[in-house]
Amino acid sequence: DAGVIQSPRHEVTEMGQEVTLRCKPISGHDYLFWYRQTMMRGLELLIYFNNNVPIDDSGMPEDRFSAKMPNASFSTLKIQPSEPRDSAVYFCASSLRGVGPQHFGDGTRLSIL
Amino acid sequence: RKEVEQDPGPFNVPEGATVAFNCTYSNSASQSFFWYRQDCRKEPKLLMSVYSSGNEDGRFTAQLNRASQYISLLIRDSKLSDSATYLCVVNKGTYKYIFGTGTRLKVLA
Repeated sequence: DAGVIQSPRHEVTEMGQEVTLRCKPISGHDYLFWYRQTMMRGLELLIYFNNNVPIDDSGMPEDRFSAKMPNASFSTLKIQPSEPRDSAVYFCASSLRGVGPQHFGDGTRLSIL
Repeated sequence: RKEVEQDPGPFNVPEGATVAFNCTYSNSASQSFFWYRQDCRKEPKLLMSVYSSGNEDGRFTAQLNRASQYISLLIRDSKLSDSATYLCVVNKGTYKYIFGTGTRLKVLA
């Protein structure tokens, strides 16, 4: 079975540019999570969705960040405009019913110059 | 106090050694528990779920102690490939997964 699929794997762009990260959860999973990981702050939950509806976006750092889930098999995390401090690894994860184990994608390594 | 606490380590152990990690959690209503391993610059990977009765998967044994609010992970006959960061994860039943900061393990030849 396919796991969580994220794209792109790596993204390098200049500050001020729009960045869009993509995620396809495991089929049948009804919860989707976006995380950010840095050495300084560890793993931070940004937002999660249940049945495509955003439930808690309190971890989204600023209005520059937005996330959508137009259907059960696709989600995006957008940063506009991007800043160097947004450089991190962004993970997407999905789970079944919100209490089973989460399964993570390979992550997107984002570098903002 | 953090909701989930782990000793950051590092734990440096020789090959073949047995090593144990503990993780404490503060919310007594927590419902499900997991151990993940994370290699440098990679995604967290589920190692095992932790059940009340304890569970074993090869060289790995996980235990849950609800009374004392901790979970443990025991690795027997450690291999070089076990070197990684081990993350304790607690689910509070509110669809929020609380991650510990991880315990670093280095298995030495």
